[in-house]
Amino acid sequence: RKEVEQDPGPFNVPEGATVAFNCTYSNSASQSFFWYRQDCRKEPKLLMSVYSSGNEDGRFTAQLNRASQYISLLIRDSKLSDSATYLCALIGGKLIFGQGTELSVKP
Amino acid sequence: EAGVVQSPRYKIIEKKQPVAFWCNPISGHNTLYWYRQNLGQGPELLIRYENEEAVDDSQLPKDRFSAERLKGVDSTLKIQPAELGDSAVYLCASSSGTARYEQYFGPGTRLTVT
Repeated sequence: RKEVEQDPGPFNVPEGATVAFNCTYSNSASQSFFWYRQDCRKEPKLLMSVYSSGNEDGRFTAQLNRASQYISLLIRDSKLSDSATYLCALIGGKLIFGQGTELSVKP
Repeated sequence: EAGVVQSPRYKIIEKKQPVAFWCNPISGHNTLYWYRQNLGQGPELLIRYENEEAVDDSQLPKDRFSAERLKGVDSTLKIQPAELGDSAVYLCASSSGTARYEQYFGPGTRLTVT
């Protein structure tokens, strides 16, 4: 089993839609979690850290469920510019990435 | 503030040839990482430096890959000889001691081995 697993998608949604991604992890000792955004042929950029209490940044909400060992990212009111690949990552001695979930927001 | 700088951005070589990638981290960042990202996958760590010391190179294929960070600033990753399976994007990232896991990535070097 991979340490971090994501649904690769693609998720095709219309503008204004709400979309959610999940990311499951196998190591219950993992302590820190992150969501990165990667545009096509660009480098990953940190989107937000994921705290145990959950955190929100504008239209983006990240949550952690330790009991079920997954993190989630919710995007409300999707914009065309949200189209990208979203990578979850966690600390397991080092930063370990999932394979990414591709999001395509259509007009 | 300048970001992580990498060169070259693209490289095409024939198999069995050597290749080298260069990275200059964000000023003041003492931790430097080299990752490899295959198509459709997330980045995978190859090596991590704390200043000039390689503290995690467990995923670096040491038979053909080498890296150095002699003065604790910029770094070079080398592959010799390259194989077809080495085609990937090689990403460099850096972080500061106070926020070690908030990593900032460079634009990467896209390597194609033919």
